[in-house]
Amino acid sequence: SQKIEQNSEALNIQEGKTATLTCNYTNYSPAYLQWYRQDPGRGPVFLLLIRENEKEKRKERLKVTFDTTLKQSLFHITASQPADSATYLCALGLIKAAGNKLTFGGGTRVLVKP
Amino acid sequence: GAGVSQTPSNKVTEKGKYVELRCDPISGHTALYWYRQSLGQGPEFLIYFQGTGAADDSGLPNDRFFAVRPEGSVSTLKIQRTERGDSAVYLCASSPYGYEQYFGPGTRLTVT
Repeated sequence: SQKIEQNSEALNIQEGKTATLTCNYTNYSPAYLQWYRQDPGRGPVFLLLIRENEKEKRKERLKVTFDTTLKQSLFHITASQPADSATYLCALGLIKAAGNKLTFGGGTRVLVKP
Repeated sequence: GAGVSQTPSNKVTEKGKYVELRCDPISGHTALYWYRQSLGQGPEFLIYFQGTGAADDSGLPNDRFFAVRPEGSVSTLKIQRTERGDSAVYLCASSPYGYEQYFGPGTRLTVT
């Protein structure tokens, strides 16, 4: 069966450290993968997109890797801050063409302690 | 600029009633999506519009759910004969190019 797995347990991390989140998928061949941030009571906010032919993407303190052999994406927040506390969702885009629906994982909650 | 807006923010209805949820996308965004999210889970796709037409409605769970976007801007999600299992947060998103999606705050639907 098809699955997208993110750590359901919250990740507690000390301010200044690097948070690393995992997104594993089974029986999907995504054309691209996106990461979103969601705060309580709000809709998800787009962070990064990485395509199947890309290994790594960076944006400010964020870094995403994509390994289509391992069927895994890693999401890193470096020099984490309490303001980074939120739920982070990975989402697969299954077709290369624009306009696709996204298939989301369940999200991982991150809590950065000062 | 203005983001995606959704109304109402909260809706409580009785089992069996009809509800309409409205989404106002970012101006100029041709792609519009509806998702629903249950507590502790990621959003689940319902339907995607490109312009006025439904390009993909494969996520609608059954024929009680219907959505329209008559002028290619505002969209309405309609649920007939609501059931308690329909309780969730209904999220709308729009996109200029169809890759990154901009989400609204959602409508929390509670069916009693």
